Amino acid sequence: NAGVTQTPKFRVLKTGQSMTLLCAQDMNHEYMYWYRQDPGMGLRLIHYSVGEGTTAKGEVPDGYNVSRLKKQNFLLGLESAAPSQTSVYFCASSLRTGYGETQYFGPGTRLLVL
Amino acid sequence: AQSVTQLGSHVSVSEGALVLLRCNYSSSVPPYLFWYVQYPNQGLQLLLKYTSAATLVKGINGFEAEFKKSETSFHLTKPSAHMSDAAEYFCAVSPLRGSTLGRLYFGRGTQLTVWP
Repeated sequence: NAGVTQTPKFRVLKTGQSMTLLCAQDMNHEYMYWYRQDPGMGLRLIHYSVGEGTTAKGEVPDGYNVSRLKKQNFLLGLESAAPSQTSVYFCASSLRTGYGETQYFGPGTRLLVL
Repeated sequence: AQSVTQLGSHVSVSEGALVLLRCNYSSSVPPYLFWYVQYPNQGLQLLLKYTSAATLVKGINGFEAEFKKSETSFHLTKPSAHMSDAAEYFCAVSPLRGSTLGRLYFGRGTQLTVWP
């Protein structure tokens, strides 16, 4: 049982390039989330999904797109990377939302945009 | 809007000393409350959570936290620090109602250093 996995672990992009971050979970969770972590800012929610085929915006969605074509996968896309998107990106999943449900986090993807 | 304040971005203690990490929330209705720990170059791991049962919550690795409604606080404590406790700790809240039901809002984190 791998839990939540993320690929790649580290990536360097040039401004304007695009990339996709992949999150996979094997816990049959309904809900999945993408966060970014910046020094001194804690984690901020980018987008989330409440089930296969659905997505919604979080606190900081600008410059990102997401897709959830399969229940176990949640993709985060950067169409045109900017230096402000240099960050550590975490994916999380939970069985459901509300009721104090625990979110389980992946190991993170470090992204550097030059 | 949900708000979480962690007092002190850095806390240093000696091994064996008491650990106290502070967290206050702002919400008219007490939310669910969480403490997560992040070890270097790793993801976040749940330490403990409060979901309106007992106000004193025990978590993993000897940590505990007490929910105090009158103080809107959920401070994290451990009686005796160990070197392996060195990590960043995040307090988070999850609203009980409204359009943001179930979402987590994180504090800015507290880096705990443990000196030998």
